[in-house]
Amino acid sequence: SQTIHQWPATLVQPVGSPLSLECTVEGTSNPNLYWYRQAAGRGLQLLFYSVGIGQISSEVPQNLSASRPQDRQFILSSKKLLLSDSGFYLCVGLQGRYTEAFFGQGTRLTVV
Amino acid sequence: AQSVTQLDSQVPVFEEAPVELRCNYSSSVSVYLFWYVQYPNQGLQLLLKYLSGSTLVKGINGFEAEFNKSQTSFHLRKPSVHISDTAEYFCAVASNQFYFGTGTSLTVIP
Repeated sequence: SQTIHQWPATLVQPVGSPLSLECTVEGTSNPNLYWYRQAAGRGLQLLFYSVGIGQISSEVPQNLSASRPQDRQFILSSKKLLLSDSGFYLCVGLQGRYTEAFFGQGTRLTVV
Repeated sequence: AQSVTQLDSQVPVFEEAPVELRCNYSSSVSVYLFWYVQYPNQGLQLLLKYLSGSTLVKGINGFEAEFNKSQTSFHLRKPSVHISDTAEYFCAVASNQFYFGTGTSLTVIP
């Protein structure tokens, strides 16, 4: 079955520092991959999605970026974190005809 | 683009009472529909899904949902809630992409 390894589980970073969150897929190939963010008291907001290597679509403008250097690797980055970047970040995979999603465990990011 | 609306951000309900969590989506094209649950300090877990066939879908923990194509809705129901049902519930729609609703926080009151 498909799994996503996402790390780290928690992260505390100072304002202005860089960020790199990574998720790695196992058990399938060529999935659609998504980065979502859940800010405190709010729902899941789609940040980026990727349908293949090097293909990234952004849903909302922000100081974050995403990359997909390999089929099973999806990276979320920032050059300089803002306080408003704090939240729960979730990597999601979707295989085939979108019949089921599989999830990373999430990263709780606190920017101080 | 698809949009998914969960009309209630917070739903408090007494233990053993029935509950309905509402979900509406924007597009009438062919979609797959899901409900996910996020228990405190845990990841997302699939409750149930509608792909095709019967419009009444039964999931885990006694939950069920009904797909209504004409109203573009997929409301989640449980006839009698338990304290352990306290969690965040997310509706999701898959068409050409995968979209989550903003979530409904269900709090079961003893």
